[in-house]
Amino acid sequence: QKEVEQNSGPLSVPEGAIASLNCTYSDRVSQSFFWYRQYSGKSPELIMSIYSNGDKEDGRFTAQLNKASQYVSLLIRDSQPSDSATYLCAVGRGNYQLIWGAGTKLIIKP
Amino acid sequence: SQTIHQWPATLVQPVGSPLSLECTVEGTSNPNLYWYRQAAGRGLQLLFYSVGIGQISSEVPQNLSASRPQDRQFILSSKKLLLSDSGFYLCASRDLNTEAFFGQGTRLTVV
Repeated sequence: QKEVEQNSGPLSVPEGAIASLNCTYSDRVSQSFFWYRQYSGKSPELIMSIYSNGDKEDGRFTAQLNKASQYVSLLIRDSQPSDSATYLCAVGRGNYQLIWGAGTKLIIKP
Repeated sequence: SQTIHQWPATLVQPVGSPLSLECTVEGTSNPNLYWYRQAAGRGLQLLFYSVGIGQISSEVPQNLSASRPQDRQFILSSKKLLLSDSGFYLCASRDLNTEAFFGQGTRLTVV
């Protein structure tokens, strides 16, 4: 079992719809959770961080964390073609560990 | 927030040649520093991390080495490159329990 798992996709979503990206993690002592967006050939950039159970909203993005189920998700409302990218889930553990999922490729169809 | 300077953006090197990639960080002190490699269409592979000057931990056995001569400087090196060293190399900086910031990355092609 991988420590952080994501569906590799591609996930295809029509423009204007909600894109839902999911991530599960195996270590219950994980403390911090991050979603990154990576365009092809570019470095990852932070979209959202979340540290406690519940929802966190920032513009069109909502991160959801459920520590009991070891599950973190990212919702993108009103999806735009510019949202097409690979989305990486990262889980922080201890003082320095940051465990990465393999990423989900998202395609927004006009 | 932090700014990570990483250069060069692209590099083509012959097999057997040496390598030195440098990363410098602004906007923080005593960060955790990381070198990742990413193959095309794949996730991030952690190569090295450092929690302080002179402190280097290697995650995978390989042809590469890392050094941290100053608090905000992280260097990735190789004495002799292999074809399998080709990839997208990323430097990242992270304060305790916060998000990681990435440099622009170096696309290395070994020919």
